[in-house]
Amino acid sequence: EDKVVQSPLSLVVHEGDTVTLNCSYEVTNFRSLLWYKQEKKAPTFLFMLTSSGIEKKSGRLSSILDKKELFSILNITATQTGDSAVYLCAARSNYKLTFGKGTLLTVNP
Amino acid sequence: DSGVTQTPKHLITATGQRVTLRCSPRSGDLSVYWYQQSLDQGLQFLIQYYNGEERAKGNILERFSAQQFPDLHSELNLSSLELGDSALYFCASGGHTLVDTIYFGEGSWLTVV
Repeated sequence: EDKVVQSPLSLVVHEGDTVTLNCSYEVTNFRSLLWYKQEKKAPTFLFMLTSSGIEKKSGRLSSILDKKELFSILNITATQTGDSAVYLCAARSNYKLTFGKGTLLTVNP
Repeated sequence: DSGVTQTPKHLITATGQRVTLRCSPRSGDLSVYWYQQSLDQGLQFLIQYYNGEERAKGNILERFSAQQFPDLHSELNLSSLELGDSALYFCASGGHTLVDTIYFGEGSWLTVV
């Protein structure tokens, strides 16, 4: 059965801190790894990673995939209160996305 | 706005009833995915359609069914509703390659009373 595990499950930091969120996966016919941010409702897309070792960046967020060790990390630098959300990792196989339970990030002023 | 449209946004219904949730995918997307999210379970995959054909089934109950129509919109039918079916139901859509991004709609909040 496909499985995605995220850690930590929750994290509380102060504004300006840097955080690293972890995601490990075991998925048959793995195609890509996706990160989403979920605030109040719909998960919003952050990154999709298909190749090992290539970092994707968007502003203060960055992510990298290690296909040999089957994990990915999401880094957020200089955190802001607006970064407070649940961050979801999902591994894509041929026909579905399997999600982890998410990391609840709380950024305090 | 992801471009994925779901209706209704909120729905309250009684146990034993049947409801239909509707999803319009992003323009050009052929794949539709349905997910259920409850507080303790996270996002659970229900079913996927590609260009009208069912491609994969997850933990979808027999009381639930779905279909994708020729215009590519999809419906998720939930019948004989139970209290435990109360959840947020998401539809997501993706393109026709396995490296296309998958975008989520705003979800339909179902409350069964």
